[in-house]
Amino acid sequence: DVVMTQSPLSLPVTLGQPASISCRSSQSLAYSDGNTYLNWFQQRPGQSPRRLIYRVSNRDSGVPDRFSGSGSGTDFTLKISRVEAEDVGVYYCMQGTHWPYTFGQGTKLEIK
Amino acid sequence: EVQLLEYGGGLVQPGGSLRLSCAASGFTFSTCSMGWVRQAPGKGLEWVSSISSSGGGTYYADSVRGRFTISRDNSKNTLYLQMNSLRADDTALYYCAKGSPVVRESDYWGQGTLVTVSS
Repeated sequence: DVVMTQSPLSLPVTLGQPASISCRSSQSLAYSDGNTYLNWFQQRPGQSPRRLIYRVSNRDSGVPDRFSGSGSGTDFTLKISRVEAEDVGVYYCMQGTHWPYTFGQGTKLEIK
Repeated sequence: EVQLLEYGGGLVQPGGSLRLSCAASGFTFSTCSMGWVRQAPGKGLEWVSSISSSGGGTYYADSVRGRFTISRDNSKNTLYLQMNSLRADDTALYYCAKGSPVVRESDYWGQGTLVTVSS
């Protein structure tokens, strides 16, 4: 199985400051159709996961533009330009290129 | 508005069975692949199973292959997960996941149904 490794696992951030989460895969996530199926999910406390980003850098409808995704191959990053209180939660990267689809361990973002 | 409503969870003894259902609405169910993802209490996420839009293709994680069966009824807009030979480590919140249109790009998950395997 493809192992997804996130860092850091805990991310204390001051309101209004930027935040960055790294996600590395044990194999390339480039698929035969030319796409790279790397998603980012946000799980707020007590809620189900919500997709923020798909195919590395495409933001879902309704996701604030302070969220951005980047990367290629095996190395990916989720960035929040200015953290707001509503961003508190756990963030997961997920690869959809190789079955079984796998998730990172999760990064818990909290406000300092 | 997309809605996925999971039900059928509960407390079951080790070795027992449960069938989870997911009622879908707000999108064309028959054109989307679907899946089940689980989250053990206080833990991360594990993709359990997926099924193609027609139901002709099914996929399982090694941890459940041979014990779980995914299926769908496109006439009822409903996804199922039959779980047999349940073990304590199957205890989790089970989410229904919608494909966009394939689950490698799953774009919406339900609120989940809790399965507890304990004697």
